Amino acid sequence: GAVVSQHPSRVICKSGTSVKIECRSLDFQATTMFWYRQFPKQSLMLMATSNEGSKATYEQGVEKDKFLINHASLTLSTLTVTSAHPEDSSFYICSARDGNRVETQYFGPGTRLLVL
Amino acid sequence: GQNIDQPTEMTATEGAIVQINCTYQTSGFNGLFWYQQHAGEAPTFLSYNVLDGLEEKGRFSSFLSRSKGYSYLLLKELQMKDSASYLCAPMDSNYQLIWGAGTKLIIKP
Repeated sequence: GAVVSQHPSRVICKSGTSVKIECRSLDFQATTMFWYRQFPKQSLMLMATSNEGSKATYEQGVEKDKFLINHASLTLSTLTVTSAHPEDSSFYICSARDGNRVETQYFGPGTRLLVL
Repeated sequence: GQNIDQPTEMTATEGAIVQINCTYQTSGFNGLFWYQQHAGEAPTFLSYNVLDGLEEKGRFSSFLSRSKGYSYLLLKELQMKDSASYLCAPMDSNYQLIWGAGTKLIIKP
Protein backbone atom coordinates (compact mmCIF):
# COMPACT_ATOMS: atom_id res chain seq x y z
CA GLY A 1 0.00 0.00 0.00
CA ALA A 2 0.90 3.65 -0.32
CA VAL A 3 3.17 4.90 2.46
CA VAL A 4 3.75 8.47 3.56
CA SER A 5 6.44 9.30 6.08
CA GLN A 6 6.96 12.42 8.17
CA HIS A 7 10.05 13.58 9.94
CA PRO A 8 10.51 14.37 12.72
CA SER A 9 7.72 12.65 14.60
CA ARG A 10 8.16 14.92 17.56
CA VAL A 11 10.02 18.19 18.06
CA ILE A 12 10.49 20.57 20.94
CA CYS A 13 11.92 23.98 20.22
CA LYS A 14 12.39 27.38 21.81
CA SER A 15 10.15 30.28 20.96
CA GLY A 16 11.49 32.26 18.02
CA THR A 17 13.22 29.39 16.27
CA SER A 18 12.19 27.80 12.99
CA VAL A 19 11.22 24.18 12.54
CA LYS A 20 11.15 22.19 9.32
CA ILE A 21 8.89 19.17 8.87
CA GLU A 22 9.38 16.79 5.96
CA CYS A 23 6.69 14.75 4.27
CA ARG A 24 7.68 12.00 1.84
CA SER A 25 5.71 9.63 -0.34
CA LEU A 26 7.71 6.42 -0.31
CA ASP A 27 6.25 4.31 -3.09
CA PHE A 28 4.27 6.65 -5.30
CA GLN A 29 4.52 10.04 -6.94
CA ALA A 30 2.57 12.67 -5.06
CA THR A 31 1.51 15.45 -7.40
CA THR A 32 -0.37 17.11 -4.56
CA MET A 33 0.36 17.21 -0.85
CA PHE A 34 -1.79 18.63 1.90
CA TRP A 35 -0.75 20.06 5.25
CA TYR A 36 -3.11 19.87 8.19
CA ARG A 37 -2.99 21.07 11.76
CA GLN A 38 -4.95 19.56 14.59
CA PHE A 39 -5.30 20.97 18.07
CA PRO A 40 -6.33 18.65 20.93
CA LYS A 41 -9.90 17.38 20.66
CA GLN A 42 -10.52 19.42 17.53
CA SER A 43 -11.03 18.45 13.93
CA LEU A 44 -8.36 18.43 11.26
CA MET A 45 -7.81 21.86 9.75
CA LEU A 46 -6.40 22.13 6.27
CA MET A 47 -3.61 24.69 6.22
CA ALA A 48 -2.46 24.53 2.62
CA THR A 49 -2.36 22.50 -0.55
CA SER A 50 0.88 22.18 -2.46
CA ASN A 51 1.38 21.01 -6.00
CA GLU A 52 4.76 19.87 -7.20
CA GLY A 53 6.71 22.70 -8.79
CA SER A 54 4.25 25.48 -7.97
CA LYS A 55 3.38 27.73 -5.07
CA ALA A 56 1.20 26.39 -2.30
CA THR A 57 -2.41 27.48 -1.91
CA TYR A 58 -3.10 28.56 1.65
CA GLU A 59 -6.43 28.38 3.43
CA GLN A 60 -7.98 31.54 4.77
CA GLY A 61 -6.36 32.66 8.00
CA VAL A 62 -3.12 30.76 7.49
CA GLU A 63 -0.09 33.04 7.22
CA LYS A 64 1.96 32.02 4.20
CA ASP A 65 5.03 33.90 5.46
CA LYS A 66 4.93 32.01 8.72
CA PHE A 67 4.23 28.56 7.33
CA LEU A 68 6.55 28.10 4.38
CA ILE A 69 5.75 25.20 2.12
CA ASN A 70 8.04 23.78 -0.52
CA HIS A 71 7.08 20.93 -2.83
CA ALA A 72 10.24 20.59 -4.87
CA SER A 73 9.82 17.01 -6.03
CA LEU A 74 7.11 14.45 -6.60
CA THR A 75 8.01 12.67 -3.38
CA LEU A 76 8.88 15.46 -0.95
CA SER A 77 7.12 18.44 0.57
CA THR A 78 8.38 20.47 3.50
CA LEU A 79 6.60 22.74 5.96
CA THR A 80 8.72 25.27 7.82
CA VAL A 81 7.21 26.98 10.83
CA THR A 82 9.16 30.21 11.05
CA SER A 83 9.69 32.07 14.31
CA ALA A 84 7.59 29.54 16.17
CA HIS A 85 5.61 30.63 19.21
CA PRO A 86 3.87 28.56 21.90
CA GLU A 87 0.51 28.98 20.15
CA ASP A 88 1.97 27.12 17.17
CA SER A 89 2.26 24.00 19.31
CA SER A 90 0.08 21.46 17.60
CA PHE A 91 -0.07 18.19 15.69
CA TYR A 92 0.93 18.73 12.07
CA ILE A 93 -0.12 16.06 9.59
CA CYS A 94 0.62 15.81 5.89
CA SER A 95 -1.19 13.78 3.31
CA ALA A 96 -0.28 12.98 -0.26
CA ARG A 97 -2.33 12.36 -3.36
CA ASP A 98 -1.20 9.72 -5.83
CA GLY A 99 -0.88 11.47 -9.18
CA ASN A 100 -2.47 8.52 -10.95
CA ARG A 101 -5.47 8.37 -8.63
CA VAL A 102 -6.94 11.77 -7.96
CA GLU A 103 -9.41 10.50 -5.36
CA THR A 104 -6.66 9.29 -3.02
CA GLN A 105 -5.22 10.95 0.03
CA TYR A 106 -2.69 9.02 2.13
CA PHE A 107 -1.75 10.39 5.52
CA GLY A 108 1.61 10.58 7.17
CA PRO A 109 1.97 9.69 10.86
CA GLY A 110 2.07 13.32 11.96
CA THR A 111 4.55 15.57 13.74
CA ARG A 112 3.92 16.82 17.23
CA LEU A 113 5.41 20.28 17.74
CA LEU A 114 5.90 21.79 21.16
CA VAL A 115 7.18 25.35 21.34
CA LEU A 116 8.46 26.41 24.74
CA GLY B 1 -21.85 26.02 2.50
CA GLN B 2 -20.20 22.71 3.17
CA ASN B 3 -20.78 20.80 6.38
CA ILE B 4 -20.66 17.42 8.02
CA ASP B 5 -22.98 16.16 10.72
CA GLN B 6 -21.96 13.19 12.89
CA PRO B 7 -22.76 12.34 16.50
CA THR B 8 -20.13 13.71 18.82
CA GLU B 9 -19.78 10.59 20.90
CA MET B 10 -21.12 7.03 21.00
CA THR B 11 -20.70 4.19 23.45
CA ALA B 12 -20.94 0.49 22.65
CA THR B 13 -20.11 -2.83 24.23
CA GLU B 14 -17.29 -5.17 23.25
CA GLY B 15 -18.55 -7.78 20.79
CA ALA B 16 -21.55 -5.73 19.74
CA ILE B 17 -22.36 -3.83 16.54
CA VAL B 18 -22.41 -0.05 16.15
CA GLN B 19 -23.50 2.19 13.29
CA ILE B 20 -22.07 5.69 12.97
CA ASN B 21 -24.17 7.96 10.79
CA CYS B 22 -23.01 10.90 8.76
CA THR B 23 -24.92 13.47 6.74
CA TYR B 24 -23.13 15.93 4.56
CA GLN B 25 -23.50 18.87 2.22
CA THR B 26 -20.75 19.67 -0.23
CA SER B 27 -20.10 21.68 -3.36
CA GLY B 28 -19.95 18.80 -5.79
CA PHE B 29 -19.13 15.28 -4.75
CA ASN B 30 -16.31 12.91 -5.58
CA GLY B 31 -16.84 10.18 -3.06
CA LEU B 32 -16.78 9.85 0.70
CA PHE B 33 -14.07 8.55 2.99
CA TRP B 34 -14.15 7.11 6.46
CA TYR B 35 -11.04 7.38 8.59
CA GLN B 36 -10.18 6.08 12.03
CA GLN B 37 -8.10 8.25 14.31
CA HIS B 38 -6.72 7.09 17.64
CA ALA B 39 -5.83 9.76 20.15
CA GLY B 40 -2.51 11.38 19.33
CA GLU B 41 -2.19 9.67 15.98
CA ALA B 42 -2.86 10.56 12.35
CA PRO B 43 -6.01 9.31 10.62
CA THR B 44 -5.89 5.91 8.95
CA PHE B 45 -7.97 5.02 5.92
CA LEU B 46 -10.95 2.75 6.43
CA SER B 47 -13.14 3.02 3.34
CA TYR B 48 -14.03 4.99 0.23
CA ASN B 49 -17.50 5.03 -1.35
CA VAL B 50 -18.22 6.78 -4.61
CA LEU B 51 -21.31 4.84 -5.72
CA ASP B 52 -24.48 4.18 -3.77
CA GLY B 53 -24.60 1.01 -1.75
CA LEU B 54 -22.75 -0.98 0.83
CA GLU B 55 -19.02 -1.74 0.77
CA GLU B 56 -17.95 -4.50 3.13
CA LYS B 57 -14.40 -4.93 4.34
CA GLY B 58 -13.97 -7.41 7.13
CA ARG B 59 -15.56 -6.17 10.34
CA PHE B 60 -16.15 -2.73 8.84
CA SER B 61 -18.77 -1.79 6.24
CA SER B 62 -19.63 1.58 4.79
CA PHE B 63 -22.82 2.68 3.09
CA LEU B 64 -23.52 5.65 0.84
CA SER B 65 -26.67 7.30 -0.47
CA ARG B 66 -25.71 10.23 -2.66
CA SER B 67 -29.26 11.44 -3.17
CA LYS B 68 -29.75 11.70 0.60
CA GLY B 69 -26.28 13.04 1.39
CA TYR B 70 -25.96 10.21 3.87
CA SER B 71 -23.41 7.61 4.81
CA TYR B 72 -22.84 5.24 7.68
CA LEU B 73 -19.99 3.17 9.00
CA LEU B 74 -20.92 -0.17 10.51
CA LEU B 75 -18.53 -1.85 12.90
CA LYS B 76 -19.18 -5.48 13.88
CA GLU B 77 -17.72 -7.67 16.62
CA LEU B 78 -16.41 -4.62 18.40
CA GLN B 79 -13.02 -4.87 20.05
CA MET B 80 -11.51 -2.62 22.70
CA LYS B 81 -8.96 -1.40 20.13
CA ASP B 82 -11.84 0.04 18.09
CA SER B 83 -12.10 2.84 20.65
CA ALA B 84 -11.17 5.85 18.54
CA SER B 85 -12.62 8.77 16.64
CA TYR B 86 -14.25 8.02 13.30
CA LEU B 87 -14.14 10.73 10.68
CA CYS B 88 -16.57 11.02 7.81
CA ALA B 89 -14.96 13.05 5.02
CA PRO B 90 -16.70 13.71 1.73
CA MET B 91 -14.62 14.94 -1.20
CA ASP B 92 -15.90 18.03 -3.00
CA SER B 93 -15.72 19.05 -6.65
CA ASN B 94 -12.10 20.20 -6.20
CA TYR B 95 -11.14 16.82 -4.76
CA GLN B 96 -10.69 18.44 -1.35
CA LEU B 97 -11.70 16.44 1.71
CA ILE B 98 -14.21 18.19 3.95
CA TRP B 99 -13.66 17.40 7.62
CA GLY B 100 -16.01 17.44 10.56
CA ALA B 101 -15.17 16.87 14.20
CA GLY B 102 -15.72 13.12 13.96
CA THR B 103 -17.44 10.69 16.29
CA LYS B 104 -15.64 9.52 19.38
CA LEU B 105 -16.47 5.84 19.91
CA ILE B 106 -16.04 4.42 23.39
CA ILE B 107 -16.02 0.63 23.76
CA LYS B 108 -16.85 -0.83 27.14
CA PRO B 109 -16.10 -4.39 28.27
